[in-house]
Amino acid sequence: DVKVTQSSRYLVKRTGEKVFLECVQDMDHENMFWYRQDPGLGLRLIYFSYDVKMKEKGDIPEGYSVSREKKERFSLILESASTNQTSMYLCASSLIQGMTEAFFGQGTRLTVV
Amino acid sequence: GENVEQHPSTLSVQEGDSAVIKCTYSDSASNYFPWYKQELGKRPQLIIDIRSNVGEKKDQRIAVTLNKTAKHFSLHITETQPEDSAVYFCAADSGNTPLVFGKGTRLSVIA
Repeated sequence: DVKVTQSSRYLVKRTGEKVFLECVQDMDHENMFWYRQDPGLGLRLIYFSYDVKMKEKGDIPEGYSVSREKKERFSLILESASTNQTSMYLCASSLIQGMTEAFFGQGTRLTVV
Repeated sequence: GENVEQHPSTLSVQEGDSAVIKCTYSDSASNYFPWYKQELGKRPQLIIDIRSNVGEKKDQRIAVTLNKTAKHFSLHITETQPEDSAVYFCAADSGNTPLVFGKGTRLSVIA
């Protein structure tokens, strides 16, 4: 069964902390994505990666960075967490861009206090 | 870049009635149009998709139609059931950029 696994379901962090959200997929997918989900705003793309060590900015990259050192793992980093980054974060992966299903992780609900 | 508009944002129907959700997109190069369903507290999951060489696709009670000339596509759910209650997202993909999602439609099926 296809699996995209995010390291935490819930996180509470303090303002100014450096936060790491981890995502692992076991499908040998080339493409991985980080989305942010907020009520009324849908799924907004933060960063994506088409290959190991490659990264591209999405629509809302400010305040975030990513790391992809291995094909199966894509990490989202909040350099200095702020309260406006409180949100649901969803990782996804797909085999072929533009042609195949994207599989999502279960999400990490991050609260920054 | 691609822009996807989705309507309505909320939809309530009586059990057994049909539900229709509509999306428009801006990039004529888009050629893949998936629909995702997200139940409360769960991850989005693909329910149906359509490619640009097809005008309509059906899978049991759900169907999707695509009008490339008008750049719009729609999700149709017939004989709705309470378990159809969820948030539905449309998306468009040109193959050159990642999936762009609509803002979602919260469907409530009233028993």
